[in-house]
Amino acid sequence: AQSVTQLDSQVPVFEEAPVELRCNYSSSVSVYLFWYVQYPNQGLQLLLKYLSGSTLVKGINGFEAEFNKSQTSFHLRKPSVHISDTAEYFCAAVASGGGADGLTFGKGTHLIIQP
Amino acid sequence: ETGVTQSPTHLIKTRGQQVTLRCSSQSGHNTVSWYQQALGQGPQFIFQYYREEENGRGNFPPRFSGLQFPNYSSELNVNALELDDSALYLCASSFRGSGTEAFFGQGTRLTVV
Repeated sequence: AQSVTQLDSQVPVFEEAPVELRCNYSSSVSVYLFWYVQYPNQGLQLLLKYLSGSTLVKGINGFEAEFNKSQTSFHLRKPSVHISDTAEYFCAAVASGGGADGLTFGKGTHLIIQP
Repeated sequence: ETGVTQSPTHLIKTRGQQVTLRCSSQSGHNTVSWYQQALGQGPQFIFQYYREEENGRGNFPPRFSGLQFPNYSSELNVNALELDDSALYLCASSFRGSGTEAFFGQGTRLTVV
């Protein structure tokens, strides 16, 4: 089984400033890692995913994340945020063996962009 | 662009009643998963269906059950509704294989009163 911890429940930043949303995971097996975004009253949209290979992963909307196996982290970053980035962000993990466990999500980080 | 659709978008039920939520998977996907997202929480895995059989389940009681049909659409049934079942229910479809991303629907907001 996996567990995912998102270290910040809320992150306020000013528009055009950089942001980092932190995610740590725990697992006894190797995992795939994902970041999803959820806008109010909507479902989840995939931002990016790490399966293997390069530890720096680029996603949509200018987001990127870095997989760090030694620190069991998968932090999400964006160099310059916009008002439209205001949303809830979820980090998720699943065992890489392709099993039927489903995604394990963190509790989410609310990104608040201040003008 | 996700092609997963869920119905209804909202509904209100009374404690003790039964409810059925529906999901139409994205074309080409053969796996569907259901998640419960309580207010202010991350989604919790309920179960997964592949080839019309449940092949993975989270920590949810048997009164949560499901079906997957030959066209890969799916239903989530919840019996004997409790107040704590109030949540956003999300359906996700994928093509079974390593690393395949799951595409989520917009969700069904269930309120139990």
